[in-house]
Amino acid sequence: NAGVTQTPKFQVLKTGQSMTLQCAQDMNHNSMYWYRQDPGMGLRLIYYSASEGTTDKGEVPNGYNVSRLNKREFSLRLESAAPSQTSVYFCASRAPGGARNSYEQYFGPGTRLTVT
Amino acid sequence: AQSVTQPDIHITVSEGASLELRCNYSYGATPYLFWYVQSPGQGLQLLLKYFSGDTLVQGIKGFEAEFKRSQSSFNLRKPSVHWSDAAEYFCAVDNNAGNMLTFGGGTRLMVKP
Repeated sequence: NAGVTQTPKFQVLKTGQSMTLQCAQDMNHNSMYWYRQDPGMGLRLIYYSASEGTTDKGEVPNGYNVSRLNKREFSLRLESAAPSQTSVYFCASRAPGGARNSYEQYFGPGTRLTVT
Repeated sequence: AQSVTQPDIHITVSEGASLELRCNYSYGATPYLFWYVQSPGQGLQLLLKYFSGDTLVQGIKGFEAEFKRSQSSFNLRKPSVHWSDAAEYFCAVDNNAGNMLTFGGGTRLMVKP
């Protein structure tokens, strides 16, 4: 049981380049999330997916797109990277209600992205 | 809209001393509240959560937190801090209806030997 996995761990991009961050979970959770973490600002929600086939914007969606490929996988795409997108990105999945771990979010190890 | 405030950006305590990290939230209904810990270069790990019932909740690693509705607070405590507790701590509120978790800005804890 690997939990939530993310690739890559580190990435350096030039302004204008594109890339996709991959995320997968093996806990059969319906809900998945993408956050970015910047110093002093905690984690801010970029996009989330409440179930396979649905996605919704979070607090800071501009400049990003997402795809919920199937129940396991939720990818985040930067079409034209900007220096303001330099950050650490975390993927998470959420346990459903009614269980001992109700509504707990499980986080991946993060992707450290630098845009120059 | 829900929000979370952690007033202390940095806290330094001596090993063996007690610890209290503050968290205040703004939310219209009964909140689901969480504390997460992040060690350097790592993801977030859940310490404890509050949904309902007993307002004093116990978590892992000897941490506890108390929900005080009248003060809109959910402060994290530990009676005796260990050097391995040095990390960043995040308080969060979950709007179950909206399926969104909102985080505070975090408190970085340093432990003096």
